Amino acid sequence: KAGVTQTPRYLIKTRGQQVTLSCSPISGHRSVSWYQQTPGQGLQFLFEYFSETQRNKGNFPGRFSGRQFSNSRSEMNVSTLELGDSALYLCASSLGSGEGYTFGSGTRLTVV
Amino acid sequence: DQQVKQNSPSLSVQEGRISILNCDYTNSMFDYFLWYKKYPAEGPTFLISISSIKDKNEDGRFTVFLNKSAKHLSLHIVPSQPGDSAVYFCAASASGNTGKLIFGQGTTLQVKP
Repeated sequence: KAGVTQTPRYLIKTRGQQVTLSCSPISGHRSVSWYQQTPGQGLQFLFEYFSETQRNKGNFPGRFSGRQFSNSRSEMNVSTLELGDSALYLCASSLGSGEGYTFGSGTRLTVV
Repeated sequence: DQQVKQNSPSLSVQEGRISILNCDYTNSMFDYFLWYKKYPAEGPTFLISISSIKDKNEDGRFTVFLNKSAKHLSLHIVPSQPGDSAVYFCAASASGNTGKLIFGQGTTLQVKP
C-alpha cells in the first residue's frame, strides 16, 4: 500500500513569506502529526490532527498552524517565515489509537 | 526539559557484533515506546516498539528491553550489519497524549565491516 506522501520535497522561501506543506496519510489512517527537525533541537512535535480536529499541540508559536481535510490529508502553514524556521518538516500518520506511526520523507524548507 | 534522552551521540561496532543503544526517560506517564532508524534528508523508519505492560519485545535481529523502574530502554541489534549504520531515535508517548511522540536526540551508529 502507498506510504505517507509529503509535498513538496524541497522548498526555498524568503524571510517574511508564508508557506504551506502537504501530507497525504496512509489510506485508512485518520491521524496526522507534524514534526520539525533541526540540528540543534532534534525532532519536535508541532501538532496532531484526528478526524479534522486538532487533538494535540506542541510548544510552537501561533505562526505555525495546520488543518486536516475530510479525506485525512493535512496541510501545515507557517506564516511570516524566519531564518530559524529552516528545517526538515515531517508528518506521520496512524490509525489514531496511539500506535503505529509511519513517517513521510519530509519537506526540506530553507528560509533565506 | 528533555523528557527523553539518548546520552550517547555516537556508537561504533564491528560487523557481526552486538549493538546496544540506550534511552532514558523522565515522564512516568509514558506508556508506549518506539525506536526509529533515520538517514539524512529522509523520514524516520519504524523499527520496533514496546508497550509498558511488557519488558521485552523481539523482531528478528532487533530486541527492545524496557526497565520501568529505572525509566530506561535499550535496543539490541544482533548481529550488526553495515546497512544498520544510521541515526537511531527512541521516542515515547502517553496514552493521554495520543499522536504526540517525544523524541530523544538520536544516536549515530556506525557498523564497520
